[in-house]
Amino acid sequence: GDSVTQMEGPVTLSEEAFLTINCTYTATGYPSLFWYVQYPGEGLQLLLKATKADDKGSNKGFEATYRKETTSFHLEKGSVQVSDSAVYFCASLGATNKLIFGTGTLLAVQP
Amino acid sequence: GAGVSQSPSNKVTEKGKDVELRCDPISGHTALYWYRQSLGQGLEFLIYFQGNSAPDKSGLPSDRFSAERTGGSVSTLTIQRTQQEDSAVYLCASSLEGRPNYGYTFGSGTRLTVV
Repeated sequence: GDSVTQMEGPVTLSEEAFLTINCTYTATGYPSLFWYVQYPGEGLQLLLKATKADDKGSNKGFEATYRKETTSFHLEKGSVQVSDSAVYFCASLGATNKLIFGTGTLLAVQP
Repeated sequence: GAGVSQSPSNKVTEKGKDVELRCDPISGHTALYWYRQSLGQGLEFLIYFQGNSAPDKSGLPSDRFSAERTGGSVSTLTIQRTQQEDSAVYLCASSLEGRPNYGYTFGSGTRLTVV
């Protein structure tokens, strides 16, 4: 069945560092791909999405490109801030019509 | 409403008791989903509603778990004879019919603790 694998955390960075959180997927066909973010004490929020190969999703300085050839959707940000500290979830939506999530990656940004 | 509302936000119950968790989706969202988030785990799919029917309930972990939706709106997830392994955050999400690619809107969840 469909699955999503993302790098384990925690990821600890200093402010203004470059961020990459890896995500790969397995699916039948071509799913839509998402990154969700969960800030401390809050619910899940959609961060960005891409619905077809080579699409780039972007929001709040974060970017991710749908790479069909490597079945990946890595999350990147050029300069992280303390306020970016959160848990980040990669997810896919395929023919089953339900979001399949990775296990989440905790990001801690230190001043 | 403006967002997905879940109640209660926290629930502590004794092992063996039944609990009901409520989800009020965004007005007009016909699709509704329940997920479970356990400590150190990802989000586990439980059940999906389209309108009042549940075409996919494959994620319900046992027959102690059930869910219903009435009026195409509010949904209730019921856990009977709770066990300690049921302790988790239960998340509800909704989306527009036929437009799941726009992503789901999640509620803040119900944190269930079975003691």
